Amino acid sequence: AQKVTQAQTEISVVEKEDVTLDCVYETRDTTYYLFWYKQPPSGELVFLIRRNSFDEQNEISGRYSWNFQKSTSSFNFTITASQVVDSAVYFCALSEATETSGSRLTFGEGTQLTVNP
Amino acid sequence: EPEVTQTPSHQVTQMGQEVILRCVPISNHLYFYWYRQILGQKVEFLVSFYNNEISEKSEIFDDQFSVERPDGSNFTLKIRSTKLEDSAMYFCASRRLAGAYTQYFGPGTRLTVL
Repeated sequence: AQKVTQAQTEISVVEKEDVTLDCVYETRDTTYYLFWYKQPPSGELVFLIRRNSFDEQNEISGRYSWNFQKSTSSFNFTITASQVVDSAVYFCALSEATETSGSRLTFGEGTQLTVNP
Repeated sequence: EPEVTQTPSHQVTQMGQEVILRCVPISNHLYFYWYRQILGQKVEFLVSFYNNEISEKSEIFDDQFSVERPDGSNFTLKIRSTKLEDSAMYFCASRRLAGAYTQYFGPGTRLTVL
């Protein structure tokens, strides 16, 4: 069975601080995908990034960066110089990589990030 | 940029009534999904659908739920006899097939059962 754990329920920072959101996952699959989604106060789920289990390269996109470490089953997300608009719930998710099933997403509990001015 | 759309944005119904939630997936996508999110909780998988049949469903997706692709564009979730605990945000998602595993979500339908 797959499981995603986001131990930080809520994080509050002041604008311009860096913040890291933790994600730890469990899976028996050897091939899988990891995702981060953002859910702003308006409620929609916005895709941010996908990594596959073969690619442990860290990735940077503007103020966002992701650190994937297979050895510790972690896929952490860092926002540099946070802004008020970053305030949202952030979900880490996992799916197996097979076309023979639906490849459902298993979500973590989410981390509520509040960036204060 | 193509988007997943969902209607209605908010549905209020009485307990025991049937509801149909509608989704229009992205046009060249072949896998379709429904998820739900009870207020303040995590997003939970309900069902996946491919090639006009259910490919996977969760334990939440019992006999009260059904899905259908009635035409080439719509994808629907029906709840036959709603219960108070069905109150949640329901998200539709879709993805392409060939090695593309990213699911794109619609804006959600907030279902309130009274």
